[in-house]
Amino acid sequence: SYVLTQPPSESVAPGETARITCEGNNIGSKSVHWYQQKPGQAPVLVISYDKDRPSGIPERFSGSNSGNTATLTISRVEAGDEADYYCQVWDSRPDCVVFGGGTKLTVL
Amino acid sequence: QLQLQESGPGLVKPPETLSLTCSVSGGSIYMSAYYWAWIRQAPGKGLEWIGNIYHSGSTSYNPSLKSRVSMSVDTSKNQFSLRLTSVTVADTAVYYCARQNYYEEGDYWGQGTLVIVSS
Repeated sequence: SYVLTQPPSESVAPGETARITCEGNNIGSKSVHWYQQKPGQAPVLVISYDKDRPSGIPERFSGSNSGNTATLTISRVEAGDEADYYCQVWDSRPDCVVFGGGTKLTVL
Repeated sequence: QLQLQESGPGLVKPPETLSLTCSVSGGSIYMSAYYWAWIRQAPGKGLEWIGNIYHSGSTSYNPSLKSRVSMSVDTSKNQFSLRLTSVTVADTAVYYCARQNYYEEGDYWGQGTLVIVSS
């Protein structure tokens, strides 16, 4: 089965740029989706299809995907961005949705 | 605005069957190209996709749970349901329902419901 690997944690100072990676074998050939989850809340889609922002998601959130690594980038980080972030892909052999283990983003 | 709401028992005894229902409002479960998914999250852990169902009744399940999972849809009530048999304490989790674009992104999620498996 397909495996997505994320760093367990990342830390960033307010106003700086956070980069959260998601590694998988030839992940660049798949579409990657990113979710933000705050404590006690349901996940919220922040990036779809590698780099598309759903309505209502700030422009500070962006994504890229190439080779074996997809990256979620959060510019000008704010305290409210502190959350767990999950990447997700569709593995077609067999059809299954796969999530990364999640990255806890701490705003210092 | 589409809304999803999970409902069902919050406590299930092993090895009984866990049954949950997701009620969809603000839109039809017949929406073309959209599938209806169940995802769970054990306490302090990550997200795990359980499976999804189309309004036609076509289903797809996570291979790791396939032998114990079944899903159904009730289009007359705009609801879909999850059954997980032979539960153990390892099935204790918050269970979410979501709208999924085929097997791609989940764009609308329910608030989640905690199911505890305990004797």
